[in-house]
Order: sequence, then structure tokens, then C-alpha cells
Amino acid sequence: DSGVTQTPKHLITATGQRVTLRCSPRSGDLSVYWYQQSLDQGLQFLIHYYNGEERAKGNILERFSAQQFPDLHSELNLSSLELGDSALYFCASSVNRGQETQYFGPGTRLLVL
Amino acid sequence: GQSLEQPSEVTAVEGAIVQINCTYQTSGFYGLSWYQQHDGGAPTFLSYNALDGLEETGRFSSFLSRSDSYGYLLLQELQMKDSASYFCAVSRNTDKLIFGTGTRLQVFP
Repeated sequence: DSGVTQTPKHLITATGQRVTLRCSPRSGDLSVYWYQQSLDQGLQFLIHYYNGEERAKGNILERFSAQQFPDLHSELNLSSLELGDSALYFCASSVNRGQETQYFGPGTRLLVL
Repeated sequence: GQSLEQPSEVTAVEGAIVQINCTYQTSGFYGLSWYQQHDGGAPTFLSYNALDGLEETGRFSSFLSRSDSYGYLLLQELQMKDSASYFCAVSRNTDKLIFGTGTRLQVFP
């Protein structure tokens, strides 16, 4: 158990819908990262927040947005969902700006039908 | 831009030693990490190298050569439970961790 929690564990929805994925970092960690992993693919970095501020963006679609709240939990919002958005979404946390160790949550498996 | 290359698949038998290589091209390099991911599970941190040389943690060791932009993960005394995907990841001065596409290790009895 990494100490990072993600909800929900599974999510099934339809195309065109909007969903919100939630992540709580390990106690004391200031950074939260979001990754997308499609079937048999590597981890695609989406976005990084540090202490409430956006620090870096990866290949994140305009339909996707995220935020980190004052209590340091984070939410990833996915809208106008398409079939190709079906994937595992991981959040990870690190103490500072995470150049070395990131601790991953169990992931949210999203299925868009 | 940046890129990482690692073999897509490696097979070995229990008790053997296997080396998974990773070559990278990137600017602002800080260090090289290795993560293990079992099917359906979350990636878990294995090791991190910021300086040249070998880091040993139990049965796993990781090596980095900054001048060659190359690193490897060495797994000794392989066990069935080591069957998983292994990702190298480069950390840069831009707060991003860039992952390779992963190497699927299959350990046979």
C-alpha cells in the first residue's frame, strides 16, 4: 500500500459524458501527478501539481482538466468522453517536486462505451 | 525532444540473472528511475540513479552511465513473482518524469 488513494476504482460511462477522478496523496506529500495508461501502453504523463499550483503539463487533451485543492487532494476532470479515453488513470505523489521517487495510487479504470 | 528505449520483452528462467537496458535522449537530465508494474497493478518504485555507477537493493541493482545516456536494471536470482513490466523513467529539470514504454519480463519455471 503506497498510501495514495484513488476513487473510484472502476468507472463505466458513455461517450460524451463527463467524469471526475479523485486522488489523495500520501500524508505530507505536496506533489500530485496524473498519468494515463492505455492497454499494453506505457505511462503517459498528463499533469503535475505542486502545493496547489500547476507545475508541468504533458500530453493532456483540452477536454481534460485538473486541480489540486488546499488539502492537497486532486481531481482530474474528463469531459466529452470518447471511446479512446478508456484507460487506467493513475495518480502519484511525491514529497517535493518528485524528480526521484513517485508513489502511485491503485488507479481508476475508466471504460467509455 | 526526449526519448527512452528499452526492449519490449525479455524471458528468463527461475534463478537466472536478467538485465534490462534503457537508453535515453533528453536535455536537463537529473536521474534515471526504475518502476515495476504487475498486470492490473500500480507502478512501484524500485530504484533511482542520479550519479554514475551501480546501486544495489537486495536482488535488484541499477546502473547509470550519464556519459553514455544509458542505464540498466539487473535482476538476480529470478523468482516467478518477478514476472512484470519494468519501466525506466527519466527525471528532468522540468518537474516531469518521462517513462519508457516498458519491458515485459516473463520468468519461467
